[in-house]
Amino acid sequence: KQEVTQIPAALSVPEGENLVLNCSFTDSAIYNLQWFRQDPGKGLTSLLLIQSSQREQTSGRLNASLDKSSGRSTLYIAASQPGDSATYLCAPSGYSTLTFGKGTMLLVSP
Amino acid sequence: NAGVMQNPRHLVRRRGQEARLRCSPMKGHSHVYWYRQLPEEGLKFMVYLQKENIIDESGMPKERFSAEFPKEGPSILRIQQVVRGDSAAYFCASSPPTSGGTYNEQFFGPGTRLTVL
Repeated sequence: KQEVTQIPAALSVPEGENLVLNCSFTDSAIYNLQWFRQDPGKGLTSLLLIQSSQREQTSGRLNASLDKSSGRSTLYIAASQPGDSATYLCAPSGYSTLTFGKGTMLLVSP
Repeated sequence: NAGVMQNPRHLVRRRGQEARLRCSPMKGHSHVYWYRQLPEEGLKFMVYLQKENIIDESGMPKERFSAEFPKEGPSILRIQQVVRGDSAAYFCASSPPTSGGTYNEQFFGPGTRLTVL
């Protein structure tokens, strides 16, 4: 059974800082891994999808890496902004299902 | 291209009533997934459907819960005889048909927040 752990559970930083969110998973036999953000009371927005054959994926100020063999992924956010405040969720995929961690709650203060 | 649509966005039911949650996938998407987010917990997979077929229901409670994705119309998640523990946010996601065994990104709807009184 896949289990996903995200560290830290919460993070508060001043605007402009670069930061790293960590995700670890127990079953390395994954197809892919998605990173999402969730705003309070809202749905999930997909940020990045890393195929199992890839090592990293970039979108704007976001960079996600994947080390499948060690069961780790990181999300790097450059030059953080108050609008980045949200909960970030990591979700490795089996054939048909995503398994979610509890997320990292990020607060970026002006 | 409209995103995944869910309705209602908020649903209040009394114990013992039925709850019906609807999900319309993105245009061109034939795969639908339902997830549940209990208060203070992460999202948990419930069921994966393709048109007229349940592919994986390993996360679905054995009793009172059912799901369908008919040939025409939205996917429906049905909860019979709701109890307070069913209060949660229910999210639907969709993805396009797979090709060559590759995995396709799942896109999520805004969720239905069910409150059982």
